[in-house]
Amino acid sequence: GQNIDQPTEMTATEGAIVQINCTYQTSGFNGLFWYQQHAGEAPTFLSYNVLDGLEEKGRFSSFLSRSKGYSYLLLKELQMKDSASYLCAVGGKLIFGQGTELSVKP
Amino acid sequence: GAVVSQHPSWVICKSGTSVKIECRSLDFQATTMFWYRQFPKQSLMLMATSNEGSKATYEQGVEKDKFLINHASLTLSTLTVTSAHPEDSSFYICSASLAGGRVGTDTQYFGPGTRLTVL
Repeated sequence: GQNIDQPTEMTATEGAIVQINCTYQTSGFNGLFWYQQHAGEAPTFLSYNVLDGLEEKGRFSSFLSRSKGYSYLLLKELQMKDSASYLCAVGGKLIFGQGTELSVKP
Repeated sequence: GAVVSQHPSWVICKSGTSVKIECRSLDFQATTMFWYRQFPKQSLMLMATSNEGSKATYEQGVEKDKFLINHASLTLSTLTVTSAHPEDSSFYICSASLAGGRVGTDTQYFGPGTRLTVL
């Protein structure tokens, strides 16, 4: 079976750094995706990891450890517009975690 | 590039009627499209994989006779919710990828979603 776990919600302050964790158990592994979803909108692609290590893309970075079945999304210099749900998904036929609702406070 | 559209963006219908949702890849050909459903405060649940020119593959627990999928061309897939009931009210999202999800690096691009409300 497949199981993907994320915290349900997190709160952080504008300008701060926040790390959203994701653990997974899957029968096969074809890479891990992070998506951002604002309320009432479709998800937008943030990052993809297939090898262990950190992938940096501007204010967002994503880390993967395949041996531990673990990933995190790191958001730096938080802005109010970063308030959204962040979805961890294991690919290719995407299986999504329940999403982490991030609230950024002034 | 890689734009996916959905139509309609929202629909309200009476219980017992059928509703058709279209998903189009606007600037690329998608041999495979995916249909998801999302209830409030929940994550996306994959309903089915739509393959051009062949039958869709449904996930466990999804009624294929209730959720009819047709993938008539490389740029269009449709989802028809037949005999809709209030419990079918949800946010339906399609996605498309260049390699149909068979390659790990193959990013899925999502449509804007369709909000279905069944009265």
